[in-house]
Amino acid sequence: SQTIHQWPATLVQPVGSPLSLECTVEGTSNPNLYWYRQAAGRGLQLLFYSVGIGQISSEVPQNLSASRPQDRQFILSSKKLLLSDSGFYLCAWRAGARNGYTFGSGTRLTVV
Amino acid sequence: AQTVTQSQPEMSVQEAETVTLSCTYDTSENNYYLFWYKQPPSRQMILVIRQEAYKQQNATENRFSVNFQKAAKSFSLKISDSQLGDTAMYFCAFMKPSGNTPLVFGKGTRLSVIA
Repeated sequence: SQTIHQWPATLVQPVGSPLSLECTVEGTSNPNLYWYRQAAGRGLQLLFYSVGIGQISSEVPQNLSASRPQDRQFILSSKKLLLSDSGFYLCAWRAGARNGYTFGSGTRLTVV
Repeated sequence: AQTVTQSQPEMSVQEAETVTLSCTYDTSENNYYLFWYKQPPSRQMILVIRQEAYKQQNATENRFSVNFQKAAKSFSLKISDSQLGDTAMYFCAFMKPSGNTPLVFGKGTRLSVIA
């Protein structure tokens, strides 16, 4: 069966520090992968998506970047965090058109 | 570009009652998929129900059902016999069947079930 893993679950980082959030998928190959951010009590903002190794599409200009070094690995990074980067980050993979997306359990990032 | 609109930021319902969450969308596509996702306080996103646009029959999953009106581009979610565990954010979403176009989400409706 397919599963998606996302870590860490919670992260508190000082302003100006780097960030690396990792997402991996098991049980499927060549998945479409997505990073979303959700501010408190708000909707989902698509940040990046990837249709294959090394292929990254950015939806909004910001302080973040994404990479896909392996088929089932998707990484969200920042060189220097801002206070405005705080939020809840969700990774997802496209489980086929009929099944929509399957989401990871999310990372709660607080920048202090 | 497709857009999804949820016009009710917050709703509340008494336990055991029925509630309907609204969703409208805009697309020029004829074939597509629609979804309702639930995000409880744990913030895990859970697929509640899906509808294929080429199917006229409304989808049903236990206490959850949809009213899909293709001509009106409306896709509402009905929750029957509401339970405290239904308290969550609910997101309506649109997906094209092919290609790599990302899922388009509405802004969500926060539902509170009151005992």
